[in-house]
Order: sequence, then structure tokens, then C-alpha cells
Amino acid sequence: NAGVMQNPRHLVRRRGQEARLRCSPMKGHSHVYWYRQLPEEGLKFMVYLQKENIIDESGMPKERFSAEFPKEGPSILRIQQVVRGDSAAYFCASSPQTVEQYFGPGTRLTVT
Amino acid sequence: AQKVTQAQTEISVVEKEDVTLDCVYETRDTTYYLFWYKQPPSGELVFLIRRNSFDEQNEISGRYSWNFQKSTSSFNFTITASQVVDSAVYFCALSEAWRDDKIIFGKGTRLHILP
Repeated sequence: NAGVMQNPRHLVRRRGQEARLRCSPMKGHSHVYWYRQLPEEGLKFMVYLQKENIIDESGMPKERFSAEFPKEGPSILRIQQVVRGDSAAYFCASSPQTVEQYFGPGTRLTVT
Repeated sequence: AQKVTQAQTEISVVEKEDVTLDCVYETRDTTYYLFWYKQPPSGELVFLIRRNSFDEQNEISGRYSWNFQKSTSSFNFTITASQVVDSAVYFCALSEAWRDDKIIFGKGTRLHILP
């Protein structure tokens, strides 16, 4: 059983471009969480999704950020018009219907 | 409000010494989970332990041990006979069962094990 997959592992974008981060949960997992880790900080919750539904987006910035988890395919975290402050590591975690969350390796976004 | 505090930002010890990483948490919930994760220089998150609020038994796994004290809202982590490979950032975290299981992380303690 493959673990949580995230791609790309590293992403470089210029200011104003869009960033798309993908997360493929573990097989059988229908819950996906996105977290952001700013440099020298702990991880901060952004959004919790189940298939085709956003359950909790209380940690998501109100503008430029969106997330989806379609019926088929990976979960996508989309950041429009990126700014330098968006540079961070973005981690995805998936879980079955339990408290256990399995983290992916993260995507390191660098905005130049 | 839920919160996790790791007061030690950075610790350096010489190899083979024991080291304890402190973690204090705040929650209003009676059912919650506590975690420790390791983040080595490569950047991935390595799960170390999960403990639920009803189980105050201390746990030992090899050189690692955890001391859960509900009375002081602490969940401390001790590495015995530290090794250079233990050098990493360690995060303590909390999840409240009724909050959709999102995990609240502390800011981490950077541990340097010196040869």
C-alpha cells in the first residue's frame, strides 16, 4: 500500500503565477488535510476535505487559496497570484475514518 | 482554545547523553490525542507516537520514552543515550476528537546531537 503521495516535491514560481499542489491519499482514505509549514515554524492546519466536500477551511487564507478533492483524482491545493510570503512547505495528510493521519513528504514551494 | 507549547526552541547535547523535550498543551476537550513527530533535515514528517487522553500510561519504545501527565497537561519526550541520527526538529501536537481531528502543532524543538 503506497503512502500519501505529493507532487511536485519542489515547486518554484515567480510572483503572480499560480501554484498547484497535488495530493494522492492512501488507498481507501477519503479524508484529506492540508497543512502549511512556514520557515522555522510548526505546521498549521489549512483545510480538511472529504470527497467532493470541504469540511473545514478555517485555516485557509480567504483570498487566493482554494482546495478541492474531487470524486476521482488527487486533492489539489491551488494558490493564485503567489507572493513571497507563500513560500513554505505544504503537507498533505490522509486518513480513513479514524484519528490517524498519514503525512505525505510535502511540497516545498519557493516564490521568487 | 487549543494550544501546544514547546518552550525549548533549540537544544544541544553531546552524543550518549539523555535529553528530554518538553510539551505542554491546552484543551477544553476531555477526549483528545497527543502526538510526537520527528522532522529530520530531509524535511519529511516521521510519526513517533499517538496517545489518547484516557491512557496515562507512560510508553517506552527502544531509546524513546514518553511521560504523559494530565495533571500538568504535559506530554514530555525523552531520548536515552542520544545518537547523532536523532538530530532533527521534534514537534508535539494535539488533536481534539470533536474538531474533525485536525492536528494542532507546537512550534517544534530543534535538537542537535553533537558527536
